[in-house]
Amino acid sequence: DGGITQSPKYLFRKEGQNVTLSCEQNLNHDAMYWYRQDPGQGLRLIYYSQIVNDFQKGDIAEGYSVSREKKESFPLTVTSAQKNPTAFYLCASRPGGSVNYGYTFGSGTRLTVV
Amino acid sequence: QKEVEQNSGPLSVPEGAIASLNCTYSDRGSQSFFWYRQYSGKSPELIMSIYSNGDKEDGRFTAQLNKASQYVSLLIRDSQPSDSATYLCAVNQEDSNYQLIWGAGTKLIIKP
Repeated sequence: DGGITQSPKYLFRKEGQNVTLSCEQNLNHDAMYWYRQDPGQGLRLIYYSQIVNDFQKGDIAEGYSVSREKKESFPLTVTSAQKNPTAFYLCASRPGGSVNYGYTFGSGTRLTVV
Repeated sequence: QKEVEQNSGPLSVPEGAIASLNCTYSDRGSQSFFWYRQYSGKSPELIMSIYSNGDKEDGRFTAQLNKASQYVSLLIRDSQPSDSATYLCAVNQEDSNYQLIWGAGTKLIIKP
């Protein structure tokens, strides 16, 4: 079945540590997105990529980095520069070429600083 | 700043009644509109999309769009306790085919 796989489901980060969240899709979608969601809050865009080897900063990119070396994969690294990383992280993808497609989401990664 | 506004709720509706969720948007050039349902602790799932003025029905769900008023709504008929969730409204940006602007969501509670 086609879909988006995020791993791990839960992740614990120590102070000063970098961690990488995985996002893989087999939907052949061109665009991929990373969002952060805090309790009771909406979605905030971290980074997005419309094609391989290209990505743009979203509204809250500071302290995060991404790569898009393959169409299927869009990993997110939460660096030590991100001072408050505890949140629910969502990866999404969308076909290119039309405004009429919605996003498909992965099941999310819950990151906690310990 | 292009925005999508939703009442945060919670909106409490008796079981079996009609739940009405509303969303307004600022980008007059927006062309596609989406409603997502998000259960607590889970990721959003797409339940309705609408592109033209008027109503679009899918089972117990009806999406309504009024581009002149920049208003989109979601009606849920015969509300069930399983409909209790947060409903997110998303609208595409005119100047980008790839980005949606998200509302903060309305929390819906269906009371048995």
